[in-house]
Amino acid sequence: DAKTTQPTSMDCAEGRAANLPCNHSTISGNEYVYWYRQIHSQGPQYIIHGLKNNETNEMASLIITEDRKSSTLILPHATLRDTAVYYCIVPKVRTGGATNKLIFGTGTLLAVQP
Amino acid sequence: SAVISQKPSRDICQRGTSLTIQCQVDSQVTMMFWYRQQPGQSLTLIATANQGSEATYESGFVIDKFPISRPNLTFSTLTVSNMSPEDSSIYLCSVALRLSNEKLFFGSGTQLSVL
Repeated sequence: DAKTTQPTSMDCAEGRAANLPCNHSTISGNEYVYWYRQIHSQGPQYIIHGLKNNETNEMASLIITEDRKSSTLILPHATLRDTAVYYCIVPKVRTGGATNKLIFGTGTLLAVQP
Repeated sequence: SAVISQKPSRDICQRGTSLTIQCQVDSQVTMMFWYRQQPGQSLTLIATANQGSEATYESGFVIDKFPISRPNLTFSTLTVSNMSPEDSSIYLCSVALRLSNEKLFFGSGTQLSVL
């Protein structure tokens, strides 16, 4: 997997936007950026993924820079339930169309404050 | 989406014994994976459970210690053999619904404590 770098922790006020950065400067042209989160005592949860265009779903938005070397996950209106560890992952593309292994780094602990 | 049930949800075991963890999915899935999460750490991939053939293990994990079965497209087991306190972790099953799709669904995990 392409190496990703994330801040260890971040704080965000409830109701405000949470912007979580991820650096993936060694990403290859056909590698996607995936975001997962893990709320305490639960299994990880898929949030969003993208290749080069910005993406939005009901949970979050993903902004990928034009050179694809970094991305930002945006939670538009953070709530206390968004407190979790957020993982940015760039799976290495395998030949033959097989599902790629997800290798989790240490992620960013987002603490949403009341 | 997929609903994943893991059993047991937690267990306390004596060293030297073995524990088998079950993972049941409510639909047929292409890929199943087993992860370990040691206390305060991130997830580490143990192996890919292959349907009808031997699992593919990651570096540092061996079949004798973590035998895995996957008899069909909805079920897999992971056994933690000859346990020691260092095996105390959360063990998580995850699945991908389709090939070439890294959108994984995770079970809630099995919290294992070895005394």
